[in-house]
Amino acid sequence: KNQVEQSPQSLIILEGKNCTLQCNYTVSPFSNLRWYKQDTGRGPVSLTIMTFSENTKSNGRYTATLDADTKQSSLHITASQLSDSASYICVVSDEEYGNKLVFGAGTILRVKS
Amino acid sequence: SQTIHQWPATLVQPVGSPLSLECTVEGTSNPNLYWYRQAAGRGLQLLFYSVGIGQISSEVPQNLSASRPQDRQFILSSKKLLLSDSGFYLCACTGEIYNSPLHFGNGTRLTVT
Repeated sequence: KNQVEQSPQSLIILEGKNCTLQCNYTVSPFSNLRWYKQDTGRGPVSLTIMTFSENTKSNGRYTATLDADTKQSSLHITASQLSDSASYICVVSDEEYGNKLVFGAGTILRVKS
Repeated sequence: SQTIHQWPATLVQPVGSPLSLECTVEGTSNPNLYWYRQAAGRGLQLLFYSVGIGQISSEVPQNLSASRPQDRQFILSSKKLLLSDSGFYLCACTGEIYNSPLHFGNGTRLTVT
């Protein structure tokens, strides 16, 4: 069964600190992996998308890594800001055009001042 | 870039009443359109997707239905709501470029009482 597991379930950090969120998946065959940021009460917004051949991709203070051999990905947030407080969702696709996306439950991040 | 409009933002409906949620897309033509439901602490669940006018694929059996009367309009309906239909409903679309990310609307919070 295709699954995406994220950890931790929730996380609280101080403003300015770094943090890393984890995503393990069993989706096969693998097409791409995406990280989304979802603010409370809003729709998710894409942060990064990586295909099988990509190991790392950055978007500002967000850096995603992918190890397709171990089927693991991480999202590293550098110098966190209060606006980083959100749910971060890992999504894995096994088909083209996103018809068969498998969503993780998300990690809820809270950044405190 | 695509813009997705969803309404209403929140909705409270009694059990057994009908439902109609509307989603319209701007900034692209012939998009793939999706309806997702998000339950607290769970990953997004794909309900319906459409690759063209009048073409609807259902992912899970339930008392909901979807229609696509126009290229950039996607409607989620129910004849009689159940308590279990409560949740956060998100409309999404993909762009014309291969592997383009999903763009989400801001969702509708539905509470069935």
